[in-house]
Amino acid sequence: DSGVTQTPKHLITATGQRVTLRCSPRSGDLSVYWYQQSLDQGLQFLIQYYNGEERAKGNILERFSAQQFPDLHSELNLSSLELGDSALYFCASSTRTAGETQYFGPGTRLLVL
Amino acid sequence: AQSVAQPEDQVNVAEGNPLTVKCTYSVSGNPYLFWYVQYPNRGLQFLLKYITGDNLVKGSYGFEAEFNKSQTSFHLKKPSALVSDSALYFCAVRDSGGGFKTIFGAGTRLFVKA
Repeated sequence: DSGVTQTPKHLITATGQRVTLRCSPRSGDLSVYWYQQSLDQGLQFLIQYYNGEERAKGNILERFSAQQFPDLHSELNLSSLELGDSALYFCASSTRTAGETQYFGPGTRLLVL
Repeated sequence: AQSVAQPEDQVNVAEGNPLTVKCTYSVSGNPYLFWYVQYPNRGLQFLLKYITGDNLVKGSYGFEAEFNKSQTSFHLKKPSALVSDSALYFCAVRDSGGGFKTIFGAGTRLFVKA
């Protein structure tokens, strides 16, 4: 158990809908990262937050947004969902140290029908 | 721009034999290098990392990796493979010179046959 929690574990929804994925980092970790893992694209970095502020952006679609709250939990919002958004979404957290190790949550499996 | 390559989609090895999973990287500054393992239906687990210092890094479950700056490689190794090592392995790199992105390789699936 990494100490990172993600909810829900599974999510089934329809095209055009909007969903919110939630992540609670390890106790004491200030950074939260979001990744998308699909069969054909591997593990893609989406976005990173550090202590409430956006720190780095990867291949995140405009239909997707994220935020980190004062209690350090984070939410990833996915809107106008398409079939191709079906994937595993991972959250990871880390401390602030350079060369930081990221600790991954169990993921949320999203299926868009 | 930083990048990481895992040239093998799959590695097959017999139990008890040594294993190597290859990784090469490209960064503009000095690299921070990581190996993670993913078991079915699980999140990624940290195995080991290279930040600075000794080029040979030892990690969890008997794995080790060697940082080779001239060949820009960070291959994962284990002297004696176990069936339970069968999983998906990811190499990742972050440029210590700036930026906060960690880029992951495409992953290499390791099969260890009994």
